[in-house]
Amino acid sequence: IAGITQAPTSQILAAGRRMTLRCTQDMRHNAMYWYRQDLGLGLRLIHYSNTAGTTGKGEVPDGYSVSRANTDDFPLTLASAVPSQTSVYFCASSEVAGEPYNEQFFGPGTRLTVL
Amino acid sequence: GQNIDQPTEMTATEGAIVQINCTYQTSGFNGLFWYQQHAGEAPTFLSYNVLDGLEEKGRFSSFLSRSKGYSYLLLKELQMKDSASYLCAHMDSNYQLIWGAGTKLIIKP
Repeated sequence: IAGITQAPTSQILAAGRRMTLRCTQDMRHNAMYWYRQDLGLGLRLIHYSNTAGTTGKGEVPDGYSVSRANTDDFPLTLASAVPSQTSVYFCASSEVAGEPYNEQFFGPGTRLTVL
Repeated sequence: GQNIDQPTEMTATEGAIVQINCTYQTSGFNGLFWYQQHAGEAPTFLSYNVLDGLEEKGRFSSFLSRSKGYSYLLLKELQMKDSASYLCAHMDSNYQLIWGAGTKLIIKP
């Protein structure tokens, strides 16, 4: 069982380019999340999805979009990348949403550099 | 508003005990999580507290005081492999996690 996979592992991107970060989970979890992690800051939620077909905005959604066409996949798209989007991006999932005990499982991360 | 604070870095000796503190302010609370993150890797779950008191799990224990907005992670019998960042996060009223910046723990022989 792979858990959560992310692709690519790392990417260098020119500013203004469009980029999609892929995330797939095989645990049949209902909820999925995208975070960015920057040095000196905590993980910040970009977008989330409580179940297939629904998405919501997190703390820092501007410049990013997501879709949740099925249970397993939750791609994150940067429509026109800017240098401030240089970060490590983590995808995570949890069995359900909206419950107190809700352990999140993380993918290995994508290191994105926008030049 | 919501805020969560933890020390940036701590150093401890192999075989010793270390306590990593976390304080938070929130208008809604649904539990306190601790995660471990080795350099260049993904965070992994360590513990969850929703009621006041101590939860023990092997060498690791986590404590919560809701009235004080305070938690700590206690690591006993430190091993070199415990060198990592420890992330504190509280679950808010919308069941989303609000994360601290993490505490980098350095273990010296």
